[in-house]
Amino acid sequence: QKEVEQNSGPLSVPEGAIASLNCTYSDRGSQSFFWYRQYSGKSPELIMFIYSNGDKEDGRFTAQLNKASQYVSLLIRDSQPSDSATYLCAARGGFKTIFGAGTRLFVKA
Amino acid sequence: NAGVMQNPRHLVRRRGQEARLRCSPMKGHSHVYWYRQLPEEGLKFMVYLQKENIIDESGMPKERFSAEFPKEGPSILRIQQVVRGDSAAYFCASSPDRTGYGEQYFGPGTRLTVT
Repeated sequence: QKEVEQNSGPLSVPEGAIASLNCTYSDRGSQSFFWYRQYSGKSPELIMFIYSNGDKEDGRFTAQLNKASQYVSLLIRDSQPSDSATYLCAARGGFKTIFGAGTRLFVKA
Repeated sequence: NAGVMQNPRHLVRRRGQEARLRCSPMKGHSHVYWYRQLPEEGLKFMVYLQKENIIDESGMPKERFSAEFPKEGPSILRIQQVVRGDSAAYFCASSPDRTGYGEQYFGPGTRLTVT
């Protein structure tokens, strides 16, 4: 059974801090990895995707991928209360994308 | 450029009725995925379709559920003889290609309530 595991949280950080969200995946054949943000009652919104080992930065967001450890992370710098949401990690191998259950992030003002 | 469109946004059905959920992918996208999400739970894959083809339906319940993506028109997820356990949010996502990075863009979802 291919799985994507995330800590369900909640992860609570003060405004302005760095939020670090982590994810592990079981399928070594996974080729690309995604982070989605989902506000309560809304649909998932794509934040970033990464497919090469290392870091990928986009504004306040940095995705990190370590294929040897089967580990993906998302760093959110200068966290804002509006970043409070559930963050879904997903791994794609072939044409199948597996989603984790999500980590709830709460940014305190 | 319009995003993924789903309708209706909210659907109420009595037990035993049929529910039809529609999804129009983003322009230029030929791959459609359906997911179900129960409250406080993750996304569960149901089915992956291309025009006129079901590519992977491994997440679909064997009975009462079916999906199609005709040559013309939206993709349809059909649930026959709905039961209370079918109450959930159903999301459609589309993707521009199959062999690329495979990023999916989600529609707003249909919230199905079975009374």
